[in-house]
Amino acid sequence: TQLLEQSPQFLSIQEGENLTVYCNSSSVFSSLQWYRQEPGEGPVLLVTVVTGGEVKKLKRLTFQFGDARKDSSLHITAAQPGDTGLYLCAGANYGQNFVFGPGTRLSVLP
Amino acid sequence: NAGVTQTPKFRILKIGQSMTLQCAQDMNHNYMYWYRQDPGMGLKLIYYSVGAGITDKGEVPNGYNVSRSTTEDFPLRLELAAPSQTSVYFCASSLPRGGGENIQYFGAGTRLSVL
Repeated sequence: TQLLEQSPQFLSIQEGENLTVYCNSSSVFSSLQWYRQEPGEGPVLLVTVVTGGEVKKLKRLTFQFGDARKDSSLHITAAQPGDTGLYLCAGANYGQNFVFGPGTRLSVLP
Repeated sequence: NAGVTQTPKFRILKIGQSMTLQCAQDMNHNYMYWYRQDPGMGLKLIYYSVGAGITDKGEVPNGYNVSRSTTEDFPLRLELAAPSQTSVYFCASSLPRGGGENIQYFGAGTRLSVL
């Protein structure tokens, strides 16, 4: 069974601080996705990383896929209250299905 | 732009009752998925389908059934509802592309309570 772990489980920071959340597995994935979910809504895709070692930037968010395609990180620069939410990583199993991590719940205080 | 539509949005069931959660997508995606999300947790895959007439079990299929008679629809059936099935249910669809990319689009969810 493929498992994804995320750390930290909870994170509460002040506006303007930087943060990094991690997604780790012992399994190899064909791609890895990061989602943000707000209360009462479905997850919304932020990014997909496909190539080992790949780095993608989306405004203040930087995503990295590990060289071995088993782990990923999400770095947020100068966090804002609008970044508050549940951040989920999901590993794609060569196009068939996905395995989700338990999520990191981020709270950015003004 | 409807995307993925789930009905109903909320439902309360008594133990032993049955119901069908509806999911429809208008993006002509061949892959569809059902997940459940318990409070404060990530998503667990219940069933998925890679095309009409083809379904497969995910991580937590017990107590559920699915069918996929058309590309657009992927209903999830609960035959004998149990309190352990209290959760938020999300349907998603995707169209895998080359190079390992497979973007999922999610519905807004169905919140189910079994009392």
